[in-house]
Amino acid sequence: AQTVTQSQPEMSVQEAETVTLSCTYDTSESDYYLFWYKQPPSRQMILVIRQEAYKQQNATENRFSVNFQKAAKSFSLKISDSQLGDAAMYFCAYRSARGGADGLTFGKGTHLIIQP
Amino acid sequence: DTGVSQDPRHKITKRGQNVTFRCDPISEHNRLYWYRQTLGQGPEFLTYFQNEAQLEKSRLLSDRFSAERPKGSFSTLEIQRTEQGDSAMYLCASGPPWGAYEQYFGPGTRLTVT
Repeated sequence: AQTVTQSQPEMSVQEAETVTLSCTYDTSESDYYLFWYKQPPSRQMILVIRQEAYKQQNATENRFSVNFQKAAKSFSLKISDSQLGDAAMYFCAYRSARGGADGLTFGKGTHLIIQP
Repeated sequence: DTGVSQDPRHKITKRGQNVTFRCDPISEHNRLYWYRQTLGQGPEFLTYFQNEAQLEKSRLLSDRFSAERPKGSFSTLEIQRTEQGDSAMYLCASGPPWGAYEQYFGPGTRLTVT
C-alpha cells in the first residue's frame, strides 16, 4: 500500500516570503499522480497543483510550484510571495495510475501560518 | 459550474441511529468519491463510483456503511447503527472523465455521534 508522509506539522512564513512544504511518499509503482490540496479553516478542499509521474518537468501554477524528485520519492510545494490568503492546511496526495485504484492517499497535512 | 454540494452540512445523532448523507457532484463528472476526515488527519478514502457502478471500496468501509449512486448522478452514504467512532467530516469529491484524474471536493458533512 502507498503511504504519504508530511513531516512538518506546522510551518510559519512572513508575508511576501517564500516557503517550501515537504512531502515524501512510498510506492512500488512507476506510474502515478501527485497532488497538493489546500484546506482553509472551515472551508472546502481546493486543488492547488498536480504532477504526473511520467513528466519530468515540474508543474507550476502562478505562485505555486513543485519540486518532483521521482527517484527520491519526494514532492515538495513551493509558495512564492506568500499572501495572507495562503494560510491553510496543505495536504499532499497520491493517486495510482493503475485501474481500480482511484482513491487518493493523503498525508496528515501541514498547517501553514502567514505572519503579516 | 456550481461545484460539489453536500447535504446536510452538520448532523448530530445519538449512538445506534442511522444517518444518510447526500452528495451532488459537478455536472458532467462521472467519477464520485467518498472520504472520511477526522480532526488533525488527512482525508481517508472510503469508496469510488464511476457512473452508477461502485468500483472500489476501502477496508474502512465496514458493513455498517453503504453507498449508492443509482442513476449515476447524486450519491448517498448511509451509516447504520452509528458509533461514537463514526464522528468525523464526510467529504464527497467528483472528477471528470478527462485530465489527470483530479478530484474536486465538496464542503463536507460533519457528523457528531453522542
